[in-house]
Amino acid sequence: QVQLVQSGPEVKKPGASVKVSCKASGYTFSGYYLHWVRQAPGQRPEWMGIINPNGGRASYAQKFQGRVSMTRDTSTTTVYMELSSLTSEDTAVYYCARVSTGNVSPFDYWGQGTLVTVS
Amino acid sequence: DIVMTQSPDSLAVSLGERVTINCKSSQTVLYNSNNKNYLAWYQQKPGQSPKLLIYWASTRESGVPDRFSGSGSGTDFTLTISTLQAEDAAVYYCQQYFHIPYNFGQGTKLEIK
Repeated sequence: QVQLVQSGPEVKKPGASVKVSCKASGYTFSGYYLHWVRQAPGQRPEWMGIINPNGGRASYAQKFQGRVSMTRDTSTTTVYMELSSLTSEDTAVYYCARVSTGNVSPFDYWGQGTLVTVS
Repeated sequence: DIVMTQSPDSLAVSLGERVTINCKSSQTVLYNSNNKNYLAWYQQKPGQSPKLLIYWASTRESGVPDRFSGSGSGTDFTLTISTLQAEDAAVYYCQQYFHIPYNFGQGTKLEIK
């Protein structure tokens, strides 16, 4: 069965960077784009960007340009999201999510979320 | 960016009643070339990841009970729960996946009266 398993919670100081991993299993890794979405406490989900595991090309929301990097490791079927220059406003649960088909489609599988606390 | 606005922000409904949640996009999410609306609905319960309910505005995801349905086109959409069950208490989000960034609505919190 499809699974997206994320790394554990993180506590970071302002100005630091965080790198969250998302290990995919149960499907052909290179066949489905993956997104990163974050959700601050009590807020709506916020789309951060998308990565194509086949080739590694990524596109980011303008809000995070220059501060985010999404990469993948095909040998371990893992995608990574690194966010730098953290502030308290980056405190949120970060999710990876898989598209259901193609590159433009809704998100049918989600990771369990990784809480990042900046304090 | 396409802004998604839901109404109401919250509602309390009795078991067995009908529930309607609305979602409006600031621009059309209908792609004329394939006549598809790039609009999805998700359900999120406390401490859980969002769960896909409806996509292409009206297609029910596999395994989702048929009491959930979606309708609408262009800029105005509706999620309907025909007969409310206790397990439907959650926050519901609409999302457009037509243009990057794939924005979500602010959410509608559904409680059982």
